[in-house]
Amino acid sequence: GENVEQHPSTLSVQEGDSAVIKCTYSDSASNYFPWYKQELGKGPQLIIDIRSNVGEKKDQRIAVTLNKTAKHFSLHITETQPEDSAVYFCAAGTVQGAQKLVFGQGTRLTINP
Amino acid sequence: DTEVTQTPKHLVMGMTNKKSLKCEQHMGHRAMYWYKQKAKKPPELMFVYSYEKLSINESVPSRFSPECPNSSLLNLHLHALQPEDSALYLCASSPGGGTESNQPQHFGDGTRLSIL
Repeated sequence: GENVEQHPSTLSVQEGDSAVIKCTYSDSASNYFPWYKQELGKGPQLIIDIRSNVGEKKDQRIAVTLNKTAKHFSLHITETQPEDSAVYFCAAGTVQGAQKLVFGQGTRLTINP
Repeated sequence: DTEVTQTPKHLVMGMTNKKSLKCEQHMGHRAMYWYKQKAKKPPELMFVYSYEKLSINESVPSRFSPECPNSSLLNLHLHALQPEDSALYLCASSPGGGTESNQPQHFGDGTRLSIL
């Protein structure tokens, strides 16, 4: 089955700097890669996703890149703000067929003012 | 605000109690999910309903019993739970299933369950 590894487990950056979180996946059949942000006391919130027919996707300060050959994808947050502090999860799944998402172990991101 | 609504937000129950968790979505989604999340861990899939039929059961103990009364509602019936079942229970929904696109999944804020 699919296995997703996520690094780092914790990340601390200065406000205004960039943050990068990386994930690798094992199953070449996976073609859908979402990123979720989870704040304390809340459920995971989808912040961006990418499908395997696209190499990069951007939404304001957030971008995701995908390297299908190497089976890895990354989340990039630029101009970080204190409200970006949260736990971030990557996941891998398929657009059709089996409805399972396999999650990485999470990254606790802290933005220092 | 999340478009997937879960009630109650918090639940404390004894090991002999019977209780139910409820989830509701009005996005017209046809797939609904139950996940369990322990502290500092990612969500773990428990059940998937697709078009109101149970399509995935991740070998969950029978003390957890899911129910999908209609396409907007999902319940999780709890009976004779153990202390290790204390966790955040998350509901999610997605557009479709089967041959339709089953992504993205949208989560509710969960029910924090404590077993005494």
